[in-house]
Amino acid sequence: GAVVSQHPSWVICKSGTSVKIECRSLDFQATTMFWYRQFPKQSLMLMATSNEGSKATYEQGVEKDKFLINHASLTLSTLTVTSAHPEDSSFYICSAREPLGSQPYFGPGTRLTVL
Amino acid sequence: RKEVEQDPGPFNVPEGATVAFNCTYSNSASQSFFWYRQDCRKEPKLLMSVYSSGNEDGRFTAQLNRASQYISLLIRDSKLSDSATYLCVVENTGGFKTIFGAGTRLFVKA
Repeated sequence: GAVVSQHPSWVICKSGTSVKIECRSLDFQATTMFWYRQFPKQSLMLMATSNEGSKATYEQGVEKDKFLINHASLTLSTLTVTSAHPEDSSFYICSAREPLGSQPYFGPGTRLTVL
Repeated sequence: RKEVEQDPGPFNVPEGATVAFNCTYSNSASQSFFWYRQDCRKEPKLLMSVYSSGNEDGRFTAQLNRASQYISLLIRDSKLSDSATYLCVVENTGGFKTIFGAGTRLFVKA
């Protein structure tokens, strides 16, 4: 099946720093990717839809200036958590779909801890 | 109201038991439906797609009722390895926006 990778798999940073997370579709091109956040013992919450070559679409309540999304190519989307704070500590997961695929595939996730 | 709602958990069952999970969705225009399994601190993995005609994969059976906007998953002969969180997933039209239910935690005990 299709493969989606994320990098880094985990990151620890100080409060106030910015963290970039990459999501790559390894064997297919994805015009659309999705970014999710999951807090402990909760489900995945859709943060935004990343569109190749255009602006991302953010879900209600998600600050676009806080979570910068760039989808510069058909195989790469990046999520930058700007000026991270401890409350941003979470599990961030991306997903992508093959153009004619039957289901979304998920990256392995990035665990962010902000001290 | 949440777009996708699932049975609250956790379900604690003995090995060999049959367990059923239910899920409802609010958007009648939703196109695709899935059950995903998520193990602790891992990404979701597709368990099975759900079709109106119903589908079965070994011990797992999924059903979709479009009229009632209801999805179900039945697990027969539960194994210890079935312990996980089961996520009901609905995909909406136009862009394949994927919405997850809150998940139902299953514990299968010896």
